[in-house]
Amino acid sequence: KNQVEQSPQSLIILEGKNCTLQCNYTVSPFSNLRWYKQDTGRGPVSLTIMTFSENTKSNGRYTATLDADTKQSSLHITASQLSDSASYICVVGGGGDKLIFGTGTRLQVFP
Amino acid sequence: DGGITQSPKYLFRKEGQNVTLSCEQNLNHDAMYWYRQDPGQGLRLIYYSQIVNDFQKGDIAEGYSVSREKKESFPLTVTSAQKNPTAFYLCASSMGRSGEKLFFGSGTQLSVL
Repeated sequence: KNQVEQSPQSLIILEGKNCTLQCNYTVSPFSNLRWYKQDTGRGPVSLTIMTFSENTKSNGRYTATLDADTKQSSLHITASQLSDSASYICVVGGGGDKLIFGTGTRLQVFP
Repeated sequence: DGGITQSPKYLFRKEGQNVTLSCEQNLNHDAMYWYRQDPGQGLRLIYYSQIVNDFQKGDIAEGYSVSREKKESFPLTVTSAQKNPTAFYLCASSMGRSGEKLFFGSGTQLSVL
């Protein structure tokens, strides 16, 4: 069964600290892996998209990694800001352009 | 200001009533999608359209209907057959090619009175 699992479910950090969110998937065939940021009550916004051949991609303070052998991805946030408080969703593209969404990690950044 | 616009932001449905959610994009995207988001669950695909006058059922199409008469517009109707319609509904668009980024609207929260 195609699944995307994210951990932790929620995370609280202090402003200025770094954090890493995890994504494990069992999607086959694999096409790409995406990370989205979703503010409460808003639509998701794309952070990164990685294909099979890419193992790291950055977007400002966000860096995503992909290990296609172990089927794991991580999203690292550097020097967190209050505006980073949001849900972060891992999405895996499978066969036929089908997208499988994780349930997200809710990040709260406190001053 | 390019983007994808959903309206209304909040919508209430009475039992037995059909309601329509609007989605408009000015990104010149070929493909458009409707997703449903429930607490604690990943987004689930309701319907998608890759070209005008054509659309396909997603994973949870029962109780919903769509139309794609114009490239810019992809309205979703939640019919009375949908017995559990309370959810956050998200519209998205993309160029339609494999691996292309999805652009999402700001969502519509539908609740049952």
